[in-house]
Amino acid sequence: AQSVTQLGSHVSVSEGALVLLRCNYSSSVPPYLFWYVQYPNQGLQLLLKYTTGATLVKGINGFEAEFKKSETSFHLTKPSAHMSDAAEYFCAVSDRVSNTGKLIFGQGTTLQVKP
Amino acid sequence: DTAVSQTPKYLVTQMGNDKSIKCEQNLGHDTMYWYKQDSKKFLKIMFSYNNKELIINETVPNRFSPKSPDKAHLNLHINSLELGDSAVYFCASSQERSGYGYTFGSGTRLTVV
Repeated sequence: AQSVTQLGSHVSVSEGALVLLRCNYSSSVPPYLFWYVQYPNQGLQLLLKYTTGATLVKGINGFEAEFKKSETSFHLTKPSAHMSDAAEYFCAVSDRVSNTGKLIFGQGTTLQVKP
Repeated sequence: DTAVSQTPKYLVTQMGNDKSIKCEQNLGHDTMYWYKQDSKKFLKIMFSYNNKELIINETVPNRFSPKSPDKAHLNLHINSLELGDSAVYFCASSQERSGYGYTFGSGTRLTVV
C-alpha cells in the first residue's frame, strides 16, 4: 500500500531563512508526488508535482522539490521564507495501483514564519 | 469564475438532522471526489465518481450518500448527523484517474451541535 509521512508537524523559520519541509513516501510503483498548500479557511492549492522526468521540480511562489528514489523522499524547499508562506503544507502520493485518482495525503506540516 | 465551487461554505446543524453539500466544477473534468479533513487537518478520501460512475467508496458510514447527476456535479447527502461528522469537507475534480491535476473547492465547514 502506498503511504506518505511528513516529518515534523510544525516547522518554524525566520523570515528570509531556508524553508525545508520533509516528506517520505512508500510506493510499490513509480509514484506521482505532489505538494499542496492550504491557507487558513481555504482549499488546497497545488504547489508542484512530480510524475516523470526531471527529478528537481519547480513550483509556484519560489518552492521546489526533489524526487530522490533511493531515499524515497520528496522534500520541499524554498531559499528564503516570506511571511506570506505561513500555511499548512501537505505532501501527497497518487494511488496509481488502484488507478482511481485517489490521493493519499501526509499528516500535514504547519509552517510558521517569524519576523 | 470559480473552477470547483461548493455550497454552502459553512453549515451549522443539530444532531440527527439531514443535510446536503453541493459541488459543481466547470473544468470539464471526468472525475470528482469528496475528501474529509478532520480537526487535526488530516485529509482522507471518501468517494469518487468518474463520469457519474462510483469508483471509490472508502469505509464511510452508510449515512453518507454521494450523488452525481452529471459529470459536472457531485453532491454529498448526510443523514442523521452526529457530532463526529463535524469536519471540513472538500470537493475536488481531476481530468484523469491518475491523481494528476486535482483542483479543490474551498471547502464546507460542517459543525454539528
